[in-house]
Amino acid sequence: QQPVQSPQAVILREGEDAVINCSSSKALYSVHWYRQKHGEAPVFLMILLKGGEQKGHEKISASFNEKKQQSSLYLTASQLSYSGTYFCGTEKIGNEKLTFGTGTRLTIIP
Amino acid sequence: GAVVSQHPSRVICKSGTSVKIECRSLDFQATTMFWYRQFPKKSLMLMATSNEGSKATYEQGVEKDKFLINHASLTLSTLTVTSAHPEDSSFYICSARDGSGKAKNIQYFGAGTRLSVL
Repeated sequence: QQPVQSPQAVILREGEDAVINCSSSKALYSVHWYRQKHGEAPVFLMILLKGGEQKGHEKISASFNEKKQQSSLYLTASQLSYSGTYFCGTEKIGNEKLTFGTGTRLTIIP
Repeated sequence: GAVVSQHPSRVICKSGTSVKIECRSLDFQATTMFWYRQFPKKSLMLMATSNEGSKATYEQGVEKDKFLINHASLTLSTLTVTSAHPEDSSFYICSARDGSGKAKNIQYFGAGTRLSVL
């Protein structure tokens, strides 16, 4: 079953913050976050392992609540280059496959 | 590091022909590669998991005889769409899993192949 992301789409002005949520109905081992620009391959952003881990670099960070089977991606002071579709990929315990979420289209305007 | 090369980037073919897509991990060994299909404005749907030296594992609903996968080496996997038809037109993306200690389980994606069947 595909993880559900929210919101489906969001438009922000440059410099504003965004939160993208990913919710799964299955027990998870890890959550992966990717950004995909139109017609291009998804680009890996970060991986979070079970344990309530929170990671980040520069202005992009993420958290993982394994009890709730949810992850959130935080984008602060957004830049034009952040535009694209964000996907979470969830990995179940004992299964190396990733199941990708429904996607969140982020548009940053000047 | 962690570069995955996918070729061709775009292919247009006539109905009934076969098309081969290559996926290579350039700077790491990938014991496992994955093939996805993506429809416009939709998410990535896993088609099959490809393991070096063994048969691919296909997801439910994916025809193994239509989408032939070969993982001949630790750096190369191929997807052949046999007897392609217009409904096979799509964006196909491969990924390679870096199983090394530092980057365990991260999947790195190729640039994708846009297949158009006339």
